[in-house]
Amino acid sequence: NAGVTQTPKFRVLKTGQSMTLLCAQDMNHEYMYWYRQDPGMGLRLIHYSVGEGTTAKGEVPDGYNVSRLKKQNFLLGLESAAPSQTSVYFCATWADYGYTFGSGTRLTVV
Amino acid sequence: QQQVKQSPQSLIVQKGGISIINCAYENTAFDYFPWYQQFPGKGPALLIAIRPDVSEKKEGRFTISFNKSAKQFSLHIMDSQPGDSATYFCAAGPDYGGSQGNLIFGKGTKLSVKP
Repeated sequence: NAGVTQTPKFRVLKTGQSMTLLCAQDMNHEYMYWYRQDPGMGLRLIHYSVGEGTTAKGEVPDGYNVSRLKKQNFLLGLESAAPSQTSVYFCATWADYGYTFGSGTRLTVV
Repeated sequence: QQQVKQSPQSLIVQKGGISIINCAYENTAFDYFPWYQQFPGKGPALLIAIRPDVSEKKEGRFTISFNKSAKQFSLHIMDSQPGDSATYFCAAGPDYGGSQGNLIFGKGTKLSVKP
C-alpha cells in the first residue's frame, strides 16, 4: 500500500520547456489536489479534482493544466515552464481524516 | 484572500521543554482546524485536528487549544524531543473545506529541538 506516489522526484527544466508531473494513489479516494510549496509561502493550491473527469482551479492556477482521466491518477502539466514555477510540488488526496500527501517533486526551472 | 496567520516562523526549544505555535484565522464560518507535520524531503502529514465543539484536544504529547471568540488556536508539544524537529503547518477551513480545496494553510513554523 503505497498511498500517494509522485513521479519524478526531481527535475530541472529550461525556460519554455514542458513537462507533466504524475500523481498516483491506491486508496480509492475521490478527491485529489496539487499544491506548490515555496519558502515562507506555505502550501498554495494549484488545481484540484473532486472525481474522475473533473478539475477545478485553486488559488494559483495560472501556467498549469491538469487532467483526471482515471480515478487513481492526477496529472499536472506545465506547457511553457518559467523560473517562477521553480518550487516543490505536492499531490494530495482527501478523506474524512484529512489530507494524505505524496513526498513531493522538486522542480527547478533555469 | 483570507489568511491564516501563523507564528513564530521559527522556534528553538530545549529537549524536554514545551513548544508552542500559534495561529489566527479570520473567517468565523471556519470549523475545521488541523495541524500538519513535515520532515525534510517529505510531504506534510496530518498530526492532529480539532473542531470548535471542544476547546482542547490532546493526543499523546500534542495538544491543540482552541479559542473560538478570539479566532485563535495553538499547538502545544509537551516534553519536546529532537525527533519533533520539523516544520509545522496549521490550517483552517469549513468542515468540508478539505474536499473542496478550501483549506487555508499557515506559512509554517520550523521547530528545532536541541538535545
